[in-house]
Amino acid sequence: EAQVTQNPRYLITVTGKKLTVTCSQNMNHEYMSWYRQDPGLGLRQIYYSMNVEVTDKGDVPEGYKVSRKEKRNFPLILESPSPNQTSLYFCASSVWTGETQYFGPGTRLLVL
Amino acid sequence: AQRVTQPEKLLSVFKGAPVELKCNYSYSGSPELFWYVQYSRQRLQLLLRHISRESIKGFTADLNKGETSFHLKKPFAQEEDSAMYYCALLAGGTSYGKLTFGQGTILTVHP
Repeated sequence: EAQVTQNPRYLITVTGKKLTVTCSQNMNHEYMSWYRQDPGLGLRQIYYSMNVEVTDKGDVPEGYKVSRKEKRNFPLILESPSPNQTSLYFCASSVWTGETQYFGPGTRLLVL
Repeated sequence: AQRVTQPEKLLSVFKGAPVELKCNYSYSGSPELFWYVQYSRQRLQLLLRHISRESIKGFTADLNKGETSFHLKKPFAQEEDSAMYYCALLAGGTSYGKLTFGQGTILTVHP
């Protein structure tokens, strides 16, 4: 089944403890992106990648890192999480930039 | 910097009534605009994009460059249209690939 998967789906952590949220797609898509969703603020793009080894900042990249070493995976890294990074995170992919994006199920993160 | 504004956080209509979800944008270049929808317990999905100029589930949206708007319309709302709707703008030029979403509008269609 063609899909975008994220792991973990739920995560509770403490301030400063490094974590990684994985994102994987099996559709051979070029474009991948990470978003956070917060009440009243909608979806905000964190980072995106138009191809392997190519990543760019979205609107809210501070405190996050990404890598795109292979086409199918696009992990989101929080080196030193803080409570203001408590949010619902979505990964998405599309065949090309600007094409229909397919979203993952979301990862709910709580940073204490 | 690009910006997308959806002025209504909540919108309620009755079944069969027309519905319009507003989207205004600010962008210096030529925008590509999208509407995404999230139904309860489902993933975000594309509803329509302005370059395809198609109608999906009875919804249409016209890009008005003069008013910098991309409002989503449907002449007769259905209960199954109840969902969260997001308008999004794809930047071009040196920021090609950057996608900015609005704050979202929760549409409730009452029976």
